[in-house]
Parts: sequence; C-alpha cells; structure tokens
Amino acid sequence: QVQLVESGGGLVKPGGSLRLSCAASGFTFSDYYMSWIRQAPGKGLEWVSYISSSGSTIYYADSVKGRFTISRDNAKNSLYLQMNSLRAEDTAVYYCARAHITMIEDWGQGTLVTVSS
Amino acid sequence: QSALTQPRSVSGSPGQSVTISCTGTSSDVGGYNYVSWYQQHPGKAPKLMIYDVSKRPSGVPDRFSGSKSGNTASLTISGLQAEDEADYYCCSYAGSYPWVFGGGTKLTVL
Repeated sequence: QVQLVESGGGLVKPGGSLRLSCAASGFTFSDYYMSWIRQAPGKGLEWVSYISSSGSTIYYADSVKGRFTISRDNAKNSLYLQMNSLRAEDTAVYYCARAHITMIEDWGQGTLVTVSS
Repeated sequence: QSALTQPRSVSGSPGQSVTISCTGTSSDVGGYNYVSWYQQHPGKAPKLMIYDVSKRPSGVPDRFSGSKSGNTASLTISGLQAEDEADYYCCSYAGSYPWVFGGGTKLTVL
C-alpha cells in the first residue's frame, strides 16, 4: 500500500531554515506528481508546492515563493522541501502528498513545523 | 488565488442526508471538472473521498456523492453515520496555480 512518511519538522527561530523529507513506498514514485500541503493549527489546508514526476515542472504558492524549494530524488523515492527565511506564519503541519495534476490522491501523516523565538 | 467558499458547519442526525457546498469562480470550480473532496478526522491526515466532481475512489462508501453546477460544487452524504463526523474540504484544479482549497466545513452528527 502507499506509504508517505515525512520527517524533518521541529522548532526553528524566525529567519531560520529547515529541510523536510518524505520517504515514499508502495508505488512507482517516478510516475507521480508530488506535493507539499500545510495546515496551520486550527486552520484549513493550504497548498504549498508541487513538482512533476520528472522534476521539470514546479509550482509554488505565492506565500512561499522565493523562500521554499521543492525537489525530488526518484532514485531514492524521496521528496524534499527546503524552507528558508521562515516566518511565524509558516507554523503548520506539513503533509507530503501523492498527486495527479487534478487532485491529491494520498497524504502522509504530516510533520509539525513551529517557527517561534 | 482566493480560497473556495464553504459553510463553516453543517449538521444532521444519523440516517439523514447533508449537503456541503463549495463555491468558486469560473477560473477554478466553474472552469474545470476537477473538484475533489477530502475528509479529515481530528489529528489525522486528510483522505480523498471524491475526485473529478463525482467519482469515488475504491473503498469510499457510495453514501458519498459529488456534483457541480456552474461555479458551485456539492458533496452529499446520505445515510449519515457517527463516523462521518469530521471536517470536509473541497479542492479545485485552477490551471497554472494549480489547486485551491475551500476553508473547510465541520460536519456534526447529532
């Protein structure tokens, strides 16, 4: 079955950096678009970034553009999110997701990122 | 890109039907037949319930159905059960953005 396991979350000071990882299994990773989606405490879902199966197409939400970088390693079945210049409003649970262009098919359990001094 | 509009909460008794609306624009809901719905129980990850407006993934009960008219999509849950109590989010493909979510609806089973 599909498994998506996020790691790398934690407490970081404003302006700091963090790198999230997502280990994928149970499907052919290189065939799928992948995405990061976040949920601030008590709030709704917000799409963060998206990468095509080959990595050639990447999109970012305006709220993270220029600060976050999504990447993938198809040989390692892994997805990454490099987060720089973190702000308090980036505090959220970050979900790794397996996607098609028109929908999000599977979600990981999430990793909590807390940005606070 | 603005969020899709959902009611903050809906409720129903066991066995009844409830409908959750999701209103967007011609740039998202109205422009594509790519609306999906997600169920989220407290502390859990979201789960895909409906995709492409009205299709159900394998394993999702047929009590869950989706539809769309113009810029508004709807999720209907018939024969409400206690385990349906959760938050529900709609999501629409929006072209180059590429997705926009609704603000979420809390379903209470009375």
